[in-house]
Order: sequence, then structure tokens, then C-alpha cells
Amino acid sequence: AQSVTQLGSHVSVSEGALVLLRCNYSSSVPPYLFWYVQYPNQGLQLLLKYTSAATLVKGINGFEAEFKKSETSFHLTKPSAHMSDAAEYFCAVSDIGKGGKLIFGQGTELSVKP
Amino acid sequence: ETGVTQTPRHLVMGMTNKKSLKCEQHLGHNAMYWYKQSAKKPLELMFVYSLEERVENNSVPSRFSPECPNSSHLFLHLHTLQPEDSALYLCASSPSRDTGELFFGEGSRLTVL
Repeated sequence: AQSVTQLGSHVSVSEGALVLLRCNYSSSVPPYLFWYVQYPNQGLQLLLKYTSAATLVKGINGFEAEFKKSETSFHLTKPSAHMSDAAEYFCAVSDIGKGGKLIFGQGTELSVKP
Repeated sequence: ETGVTQTPRHLVMGMTNKKSLKCEQHLGHNAMYWYKQSAKKPLELMFVYSLEERVENNSVPSRFSPECPNSSHLFLHLHTLQPEDSALYLCASSPSRDTGELFFGEGSRLTVL
């Protein structure tokens, strides 16, 4: 069965600092991996996705993530945090071959201090 | 006009009421979803519709009843709910079931008294 683990339910960084949000997955087949962001009082929005092409994936708002099969990880990074990045971030895994059902992690809340 | 619109945004209901949540997508997608988002818990997939046919029902209690009259509209009918059903209910759509790329509405915040 597929699963996703996000390490740290809350991460706090200073404005301009590196953002690193951790995600590890478990999947019996090559997975598709996603990061979604949820701003306060809004629905989720796709940040980026890995679908077995390049292992380094670039997304919106300066975020990127690297698929590391040996570590079963798909960590999300951004070189320099902005106040507007404060939100909740969800990692998700999908077994596309079985109907594309997304399994979400529990989310990581990112706070950005001025 | 946003891609996926949910109404109402907020709903308070008693345990004996009957209400409905509505979702409309303007993206021409073929698949629509209902998710439940509770505090401190992962998003829970409730129902999936593909081309207006229900293709997944994740052991959701019968007090939740989905309806998909066409590919643009999705409803969640609610009756005799419990306080633990209070949550944010998110609707999403995708071009097909197989993309994993979902477009979400802003959600309907439900409080059951």
C-alpha cells in the first residue's frame, strides 16, 4: 500500500532563509509524486509534480523538489523564503496505474518570520 | 470566474437537518472528487466520479450521499450528521482520473451542532 510521511507538522523559517519541507513515500510501484499548497481559507493548489521524467522538478513560486529513489524522498525546497510562502504544504503520492488515487501526507505548516 | 466553485462556503446545521453542498467546475474536466479535511488529519478521499459515474466510495457513511448530474456539477447531500462530521469539505476536479493533478475549490466549512 502507498503512504506518505511528512516530517515535521510545523516548520518556521526567517524571511530570506532556505525552505526545506521533507516528504518520504512508500510505494510498491514507481510513483507519481506531488506537492500541493493550501493558503488560509482556500483550497489546495498544485505546486509541482514528478511523473518519472526529470528527477529535479521545478514548480511555481520558486519551489522545486528532487525525487530520490534510493532515499524514497521527495523533499520540497526554496532558496529564499518570502512572507507570502506562509501556508500549509501537502505531499501526495499516486499510483497512476490504479486510477490515480492520491494519498496525501498530514501536511506541514510553514511559518515565515520577518 | 474561478475554475472550481463551491457553495456554500460556510454551513451550520443541526443533527436532524438535511442540507446539500454544491460544486461546479468550469474547466471541462471529466473527473470530480469530494475530500474531507479535518484538523490534524490527512485529507480523506470520500467519492470519485468519472464521466458522471461513481467509481470510488471510500467506506463513507450513508449519511453522506453524492450526486453527479453532469460532468460540471457535483453535490454532497447531508442528513442526520454527527458532530464529528464537522470539517472542511473540498471538491476537486481533474482532466481524467489518471492524472493525479487536481484542481480544488475553496471548500465548504461545515459545523454540525
